Amino acid sequence: DARVTQTPRHKVTEMGQEVTMRCQPILGHNTVFWYRQTMMQGLELLAYFRNRAPLDDSGMPKDRFSAEMPDATLATLKIQPSEPRDSAVYFCASGAFSRHTEAFFGQGTRLTVV
Amino acid sequence: LAKTTQPISMDSYEGQEVNITCSHNNIATNDYITWYQQFPSQGPRFIIQGYKTKVTNEVASLFIPADRKSSTLSLPRVSLSDTAVYYCLARNTGKLIFGQGTTLQVKP
Repeated sequence: DARVTQTPRHKVTEMGQEVTMRCQPILGHNTVFWYRQTMMQGLELLAYFRNRAPLDDSGMPKDRFSAEMPDATLATLKIQPSEPRDSAVYFCASGAFSRHTEAFFGQGTRLTVV
Repeated sequence: LAKTTQPISMDSYEGQEVNITCSHNNIATNDYITWYQQFPSQGPRFIIQGYKTKVTNEVASLFIPADRKSSTLSLPRVSLSDTAVYYCLARNTGKLIFGQGTTLQVKP
């Protein structure tokens, strides 16, 4: 059963520390999304990639966030330095995209910055 | 990207049919209407997608009138396990933008 895998599932860190979240998209999917979800803001699109190239990262705070796809099996989202306001659930999703196809979401990484 | 508007919350009872309507007045010609479902502590899950008229799968039906300015997700005979947030999206390029969604509470 193909699925998007995110690690870690939970992360508690101190303010100022670097946080790296990882995502393994479904094999063969060429599009990857990163989202952040909070009660206040809902689901926010941070960045998305197609064929490993970033297409849109306008939703991401550039000074502290970075997203990369080192290869087709790994996407990373990094926060450096982390702040308490970054506390949220971060979701990765992948799809084999044309406009007719769906996105599959991972279980998310719950980040708490204290 | 077309902006979508849907009710913030709805209540229903087990066994009833639930219809959630989404407004997308500025939908573009190439946009498809897509619905996702999200349970607490899980990522969203695709339910159904359509362009016009009616689409039905094992989970739901989607009705889109000819002018495509709105759409209605229909869930037949809901159960307690259908309690979730339902998101309506209009998309064409593959970029998925989620609005606030509709929180459906199914009561016994």
